[in-house]
Amino acid sequence: GESVGLHLPTLSVQEGDNSIINCAYSNSASDYFIWYKQESGKGPQFIIDIRSNMDKRQGQRVTVLLNKTVKHLSLQIAATQPGDSAVYFCAENNEDSGYALNFGKGTSLLVTP
Amino acid sequence: DGGITQSPKYLFRKEGQNVTLSCEQNLNHDAMYWYRQDPGQGLRLIYYSQIVNDFQKGDIAEGYSVSREKKESFPLTVTSAQKNPTAFYLCASSIARGIETQYFGPGTRLLVL
Repeated sequence: GESVGLHLPTLSVQEGDNSIINCAYSNSASDYFIWYKQESGKGPQFIIDIRSNMDKRQGQRVTVLLNKTVKHLSLQIAATQPGDSAVYFCAENNEDSGYALNFGKGTSLLVTP
Repeated sequence: DGGITQSPKYLFRKEGQNVTLSCEQNLNHDAMYWYRQDPGQGLRLIYYSQIVNDFQKGDIAEGYSVSREKKESFPLTVTSAQKNPTAFYLCASSIARGIETQYFGPGTRLLVL
């Protein structure tokens, strides 16, 4: 079936640097994409979303970029802080899947001082 | 305080026992979801409900049951037919089912004695 996947399982960055977490998806019918942050033992926390009619969206210290041509999504975190250490998931949904969220396996971000 | 609550935080199940996980939301959301998360994995959909007294199976519904008698409540029962129940269970809700952001509760960790 269709899948959502992440390029790297772990990412280590120094405090203050920018982080980029990548995600590939395979369903060209995907309409909506979400990034979640999950800290150990907690539920996923919404970070930012983007719809398929956009290619960039910015939030506070975060930017999501969508490249529909190559089916690629990225999350950029500016000036990464220790509190950003967590697992980051991308998820997508579309009408074909009945609007169920399809999650990737996650990228673990570790911020070192 | 608005949000989604799940209880208990930890739950222990004996062999052959049914256990019920609670999920309550006061966000006035129509749609609610249950996901299962295994270590190092993304989330998989168990059941979802678009409206009171209606629910649909997700990708891994076998061994689970749900009810939706009230808009704010969507309990999940893990039955004895679920042979590998040890996991982190996450409840989510969205304004409506469709291309909408899903917000998650804090999760319940189920362990088998």
